[in-house]
Amino acid sequence: GESVGLHLPTLSVQEGDNSIINCAYSNSASDYFIWYKQESGKGPQFIIDIRSNMDKRQGQRVTVLLNKTVKHLSLQIAATQPGDSAVYFCAEIGANSKLTFGKGITLSVRP
Amino acid sequence: EADIYQTPRYLVIGTGKKITLECSQTMGHDKMYWYQQDPGMELHLIHYSYGVNSTEKGDLSSESTVSRIRTEHFPLTLESARPSHTSQYLCASSGRGGRADTQYFGPGTRLTVL
Repeated sequence: GESVGLHLPTLSVQEGDNSIINCAYSNSASDYFIWYKQESGKGPQFIIDIRSNMDKRQGQRVTVLLNKTVKHLSLQIAATQPGDSAVYFCAEIGANSKLTFGKGITLSVRP
Repeated sequence: EADIYQTPRYLVIGTGKKITLECSQTMGHDKMYWYQQDPGMELHLIHYSYGVNSTEKGDLSSESTVSRIRTEHFPLTLESARPSHTSQYLCASSGRGGRADTQYFGPGTRLTVL
């Protein structure tokens, strides 16, 4: 069946360092991927997306990389700040616009 | 970014009570969704709607029901709440435009059933 999963449950980084959050997906037919950030007590917030015809997309301090060969997605956060502390989810858009979420990884930023 | 609202934000209720969780969006999105999420866990789709008078069950079986009488409103109802229903419920919507498939989420309702 389809599944989207994250490699690691937690990630701790020093403030100012770059963060890399990885995600594996299993449905090779998916053509759209999204990264969400969820802060405590809030709903997931859209960060960045990428379509399967792209390998890389950049936003403000964030970059998403897509490797379709190994079905791997990553989110890079430059100069990580305390406000980046949250749970990050990758999500895959499948048939009928339904999202499939991974389990989530907690990013903790050390001062 | 979509404007999507959920009420109440927190609800503590006794077993057997009927509850309705409200969700409204002001972006005119056709599609709306309900997810259930336990702390630190993934989101599970429990209901979705692609338009007025259209509702479907999601991937996770739920004893809740939904209705879509108006485009902007997608309430979720539990006829008889049980402790196993304790969770966070997140509403989302998606629409047309460049990011037609991107779902935008409300703040969630944290439900506790005693």
